[in-house]
Amino acid sequence: AQKITQTQPGMFVQEKEAVTLDCTYDTSDQSYGLFWYKQPSSGEMIFLIYQGSYDEQNATEGRYSLNFQKARKSANLVISASQLGDSAMYFCAMPSPNQAGTALIFGKGTTLSVSS
Amino acid sequence: KAGVTQTPRYLIKTRGQQVTLSCSPISGHRSVSWYQQTPGQGLQFLFEYFSETQRNKGNFPGRFSGRQFSNSRSEMNVSTLELGDSALYLCASSASRTQYFGPGTRLLVL
Repeated sequence: AQKITQTQPGMFVQEKEAVTLDCTYDTSDQSYGLFWYKQPSSGEMIFLIYQGSYDEQNATEGRYSLNFQKARKSANLVISASQLGDSAMYFCAMPSPNQAGTALIFGKGTTLSVSS
Repeated sequence: KAGVTQTPRYLIKTRGQQVTLSCSPISGHRSVSWYQQTPGQGLQFLFEYFSETQRNKGNFPGRFSGRQFSNSRSEMNVSTLELGDSALYLCASSASRTQYFGPGTRLLVL
């Protein structure tokens, strides 16, 4: 069965430092995608970045980049130059198998705390 | 474009009551999905609607239902509320592969 694992319940980083949030996944699909979302304390899930399994380059969006290692089934999110506003929960997600449409399965999340 | 909106933002109900939550998707998005988020179970997919038809359903009891209107707005209904239904209910809309979420409705069942 499809599964997303985020092993870091919490991460702490200082402003301006880079941080890597881990995500491993398990799938038997050959074609799949991976998403990262940010959830501040307000509750809204904010889309950050997407990586397709056949994309040759690692995805980047501003300060966010994905360290995608297909053979190891990992898709770690790298946040460069952390800011106080980056403090939030971060979720890794992928489409649910055997379902049409856009249903996502999520990892348990990692809480990131950025200090000054 | 305006984002996904959800109403109400907060709700307090008692066991046995029913509740209806509303979601307005981003303009032009025809797919609307609903998720339940609890501290114990995390984020779980409830159901997805596309062009007024339920396209996907998660593993939730029949007390949870939804519908979508011709303008793509969606509602979800929970009947006979239980304490365990206390959660953040998130709605997401999409035009293709990426889902964009609303701010959620926090439901507390007493």
